[in-house]
Amino acid sequence: RKEVEQDPGPFNVPEGATVAFNCTYSNSASQSFFWYRQDCRKEPKLLMSVYSSGNEDGRFTAQLNRASQYISLLIRDSKLSDSATYLCVATGYSTLTFGKGTMLLVSP
Amino acid sequence: DTGVSQDPRHKITKRGQNVTFRCDPISEHNRLYWYRQTLGQGPEFLTYFQNEAQLEKSRLLSDRFSAERPKGSFSTLEIQRTEQGDSAMYLCASSFLSPPRAGVSSYEQYFGPGTRLTVT
Repeated sequence: RKEVEQDPGPFNVPEGATVAFNCTYSNSASQSFFWYRQDCRKEPKLLMSVYSSGNEDGRFTAQLNRASQYISLLIRDSKLSDSATYLCVATGYSTLTFGKGTMLLVSP
Repeated sequence: DTGVSQDPRHKITKRGQNVTFRCDPISEHNRLYWYRQTLGQGPEFLTYFQNEAQLEKSRLLSDRFSAERPKGSFSTLEIQRTEQGDSAMYLCASSFLSPPRAGVSSYEQYFGPGTRLTVT
């Protein structure tokens, strides 16, 4: 079983739509969680950390469910510029474990 | 530019040759990480340094791979006797050792642009 699992997509949505991604992690000792965004042939960029209480940053909302070991990312009012791969990340002992990523394609 | 930098950005080499990549982390960051990413996969951890000490190495890091961070600043990753399976993007990231301020996790890692290696 992969340590961090995500639906690879692609998710095709129109501009303005709301889209949600889920991810599960297997290491119950993981303490910190993140969502990274990666554009084609570019490096991953930190989108947001995920806190137990849930957190919001503009159109983006992240949630953590420790009991079920899953993390979610909600994007509201999708923009064309949101098209990218979204990587779910859980910490190992000192390092990050990445999922394979979920591809989002936002169309006009 | 105060972000993570990597050099070269692209490297094409023939099978059996040795290659070396360089990473310059964000200057205030104590930790430096190397990852490898292939198409359709997320970055896979290779190794990391805390200052000049190499603290962890992945099983992915075969004997042909070696990494150094001699003065706790920049790092190099060398691959000896390259194989076609080594073709990938090699990413470097850096982070703080401990949270610099409230609300910031020390696990937040910032990536460089990567070195794309093609072994022919």
